[in-house]
Amino acid sequence: AQKVTQAQTEISVVEKEDVTLDCVYETRDTTYYLFWYKQPPSGELVFLIRRNSFDEQNEISGRYSWNFQKSTSSFNFTITASQVVDSAVYFCALSELNRDDKIIFGKGTRLHILP
Amino acid sequence: KAGVTQTPRYLIKTRGQQVTLSCSPISGHRSVSWYQQTPGQGLQFLFEYFSETQRNKGNFPGRFSGRQFSNSRSEMNVSTLELGDSALYLCASSVLPAANTGELFFGEGSRLTVL
Repeated sequence: AQKVTQAQTEISVVEKEDVTLDCVYETRDTTYYLFWYKQPPSGELVFLIRRNSFDEQNEISGRYSWNFQKSTSSFNFTITASQVVDSAVYFCALSELNRDDKIIFGKGTRLHILP
Repeated sequence: KAGVTQTPRYLIKTRGQQVTLSCSPISGHRSVSWYQQTPGQGLQFLFEYFSETQRNKGNFPGRFSGRQFSNSRSEMNVSTLELGDSALYLCASSVLPAANTGELFFGEGSRLTVL
């Protein structure tokens, strides 16, 4: 069965530090998508990124970057020069297109950026 | 463009009662997914509806049910409420089936408290 593990329950860093959120997934499918979502204190989850299993290129969007490594089944998320506004719960998620055909979320990592 | 609207936002019920939650997706979105969010379990998938058909269902008891109407609005119902049903219930919509797009648009949720 598909599974997403976010081992870091809670992380605190001081503003301007870099921080990496880990995500490890399990799947028997060869065709799948991986995602990251952000849930700020206001509560509404916001989509950040989608990667498909055939594209291992790393992605950078401003201060955000994602490292996808199939060899270690990981899809880690790095925030560079963190800001207080980055404080949120971040969820990694997975969908298997040929099997369960649903999106499964990890339990999330709560990130505190301290001023 | 209006976002995903969930009603009611907050509700309190007692054990044994039943509850119906409503979700209006973004106009043009035909998929509605429901998730239960609790502090210990994170986001757990309940079910997804696409064009009035249930596409997938999570591992929840039969007390949890849902439906989707021709205008894509969806409702979920929980019967014979238990204390453990206290949670934030999130609805998410997408144009295509959720697993195929991954870019879900979430509502603010309905926070259910069972006493």
